[in-house]
Amino acid sequence: AQSVTQLDSQVPVFEEAPVELRCNYSSSVSVYLFWYVQYPNQGLQLLLKYLSGSTLVKGINGFEAEFNKSQTSFHLRKPSVHISDTAEYFCAVSEANAGGTSYGKLTFGQGTILTVHP
Amino acid sequence: DADVTQTPRNRITKTGKRIMLECSQTKGHDRMYWYRQDPGLGLRLIYYSFDVKDINKGEISDGYSVSRQAQAKFSLSLESAIPNQTALYFCATSVGPYGYTFGSGTRLTVV
Repeated sequence: AQSVTQLDSQVPVFEEAPVELRCNYSSSVSVYLFWYVQYPNQGLQLLLKYLSGSTLVKGINGFEAEFNKSQTSFHLRKPSVHISDTAEYFCAVSEANAGGTSYGKLTFGQGTILTVHP
Repeated sequence: DADVTQTPRNRITKTGKRIMLECSQTKGHDRMYWYRQDPGLGLRLIYYSFDVKDINKGEISDGYSVSRQAQAKFSLSLESAIPNQTALYFCATSVGPYGYTFGSGTRLTVV
């Protein structure tokens, strides 16, 4: 079984400050990793994903994340946030091994609400 | 039109009533999923289907049932709604273990 823990339920920051949203996962097999964003009263939008290759993944809206296998982490970062980044962010994992019981199923973290203040 | 369409967008229903949430997709994906979102709990998987003849329970399937009427349609039913089923429900599709597309969600309130 796999699980995801987002270490901060709420992160308040000021506009133009850097931000890091932390995500740790647990899995006994290889995984794919994702970050989704949910703006108020909207559905989920994919920010970025790690499938293989370079551990530093760049996504939309200036976000990036780094996959750290030894620490089982996939933290999301942005060097300078805007008011419009205010949203809830979800880290998610799916099993990469075909035939596994969790193959193809996304498991989500609890979510982190990012609030950007002027 | 949206790739994944959920109906209704909002619904208020009474305890004990049967209700169906519908999902249709134009992505041509074989895999479809139902998740529910609760504040502080993220999204949790209710049911999933990897093709028309394949239905599987997720982590919180009690009180729910599903029907995969066609490749493009996947419905979620609450046989007898209860207040703790008040949540935001999402349908999703995928072509494999990644590449998910989510619907806009159905906000269900059980009173």
